Amino acid sequence: DAEITQSPRHKITETGRQVTLACHQTWNHNNMFWYRQDLGHGLRLIHYSYGVQDTNKGEVSDGYSVSRSNTEDLPLTLESAASSQTSVYFCASKRDRDSGHEQFFGPGTRLTVL
Amino acid sequence: TQLLEQSPQFLSIQEGENLTVYCNSSSVFSSLQWYRQEPGEGPVLLVTVVTGGEVKKLKRLTFQFGDARKDSSLHITAAQPGDTGLYLCAGVSRRLVFGKGTKLTVNP
Repeated sequence: DAEITQSPRHKITETGRQVTLACHQTWNHNNMFWYRQDLGHGLRLIHYSYGVQDTNKGEVSDGYSVSRSNTEDLPLTLESAASSQTSVYFCASKRDRDSGHEQFFGPGTRLTVL
Repeated sequence: TQLLEQSPQFLSIQEGENLTVYCNSSSVFSSLQWYRQEPGEGPVLLVTVVTGGEVKKLKRLTFQFGDARKDSSLHITAAQPGDTGLYLCAGVSRRLVFGKGTKLTVNP
C-alpha cells in the first residue's frame, strides 16, 4: 500500500545545531508540504513543493529550508535550531495541485530543541 | 490573511450525547475540508464540502457548508468514545488554511 513516512519520530537537539527531518511518500504525488503544529496555532505551512526542483515558502518559513531532488522525498532542514522551533512537524502530500483533493499526512516528528 | 475560527476549542461530553462543532471565516472558500486527528498521528480527511448549502453524512457525522461558503458545521449524533480526537476544518483556496481545531473527548 502507498504511504507517507517521517523520520525520526522523535528528536531532541540543542540550540544552534542543524537538524534534518525526513519525509518519504510512495503515492507518486508531485505536491508535498511541511507543517508545524503548536498549541494555540493549529497547523501552519512551512514550505511546499509542486514537483522536483520546485520549492516555495509558506507562512512560517524563516529558519527552515527544503530541497526536492526526486518525487518521493522532501527533507526539511533547520539550519540552526532554536527553542522556538520546538514543535510537532507533519509532512503531507497531495495528488493534484490546485484543488480540494485530499492531503495525506505522515505520522509526525516531535522535535525538542533544548 | 484568511482565517478560520473553530469553536469550541475543547469539548468533553458523555457517550450518547449529541454535539456540534463550528468553523467560521470572513473569507469565501472554494471548498472546505474536515479532518480528524488522533494522538500521535497525522490528520485524516473525513469529508470535503464544495457547494454552498451542501450537507454530507458520514454515519453519525453530518457536515454542512454554509450558503455563502464561509462557514461550516460538524454535528455528531450519539457520540461514542471512538469519536474522541482533534477535529480540524480547512478552507481550500490556493492552499489549505487550517483552523486551530476542536479537541473532543467522549467519556464512556
